[in-house]
Amino acid sequence: AQTVTQSQPEMSVQEAETVTLSCTYDTSESNYYLFWYKQPPSRQMILVIRQEAYKQQNATENRFSVNFQKAAKSFSLKISDSQLGDTAMYFCAFMLNTGTASKLTFGTGTRLQVTL
Amino acid sequence: GAVVSQHPSRVICKSGTSVKIECRSLDFQATTMFWYRQFPKQSLMLMATSNEGSKATYEQGVEKDKFLINHASLTLSTLTVTSAHPEDSSFYICSPSLRFSGRSGEQFFGPGTRLTVL
Repeated sequence: AQTVTQSQPEMSVQEAETVTLSCTYDTSESNYYLFWYKQPPSRQMILVIRQEAYKQQNATENRFSVNFQKAAKSFSLKISDSQLGDTAMYFCAFMLNTGTASKLTFGTGTRLQVTL
Repeated sequence: GAVVSQHPSRVICKSGTSVKIECRSLDFQATTMFWYRQFPKQSLMLMATSNEGSKATYEQGVEKDKFLINHASLTLSTLTVTSAHPEDSSFYICSPSLRFSGRSGEQFFGPGTRLTVL
């Protein structure tokens, strides 16, 4: 079974600053996806960024980037130039790449507050 | 991105009654449906997985007779909470998936349904 751990229940960052959210996971599989999802107060799950395990290059999406360390089973999210709209719960998630639809295993989440 | 709807968005019911939650994938055919539950200030936990036309597979600790899942078509799945009790109060989220989403990593989510059982 896979597990995902987020050790930071809450984080705070000032607007325009950079913040890094941590995530570690445990699996014996080699082919999988990792995700960061954002859940704002509306509670709609929004995909922030996705990383395929077989790709060594770290994924980036505008102000969001990841540091994927496969051997260490670490997958942190860096948010640059933080904006007030980034305030939300952030979930790290794991999905096996089985070739068919697969479930997500979520971490416990990190509540990020962006302040003025 | 894909459009997913859930209805109702909020429901309040009395203890002992049944509540049906609908999840529709509006612009794609979902061969697989995942149902998640999220308690306040907690993470999403998978309840069950269903494939179109087949019986759902439930996660350990989830009562299949209490949480009835129907996935009769590729665009509609329903979750019925039978004989609801206050401890069933939660946020329920559907996640319809394409057959080969495991290859692409595509995941879609409905906007969720907040269930409150009095």
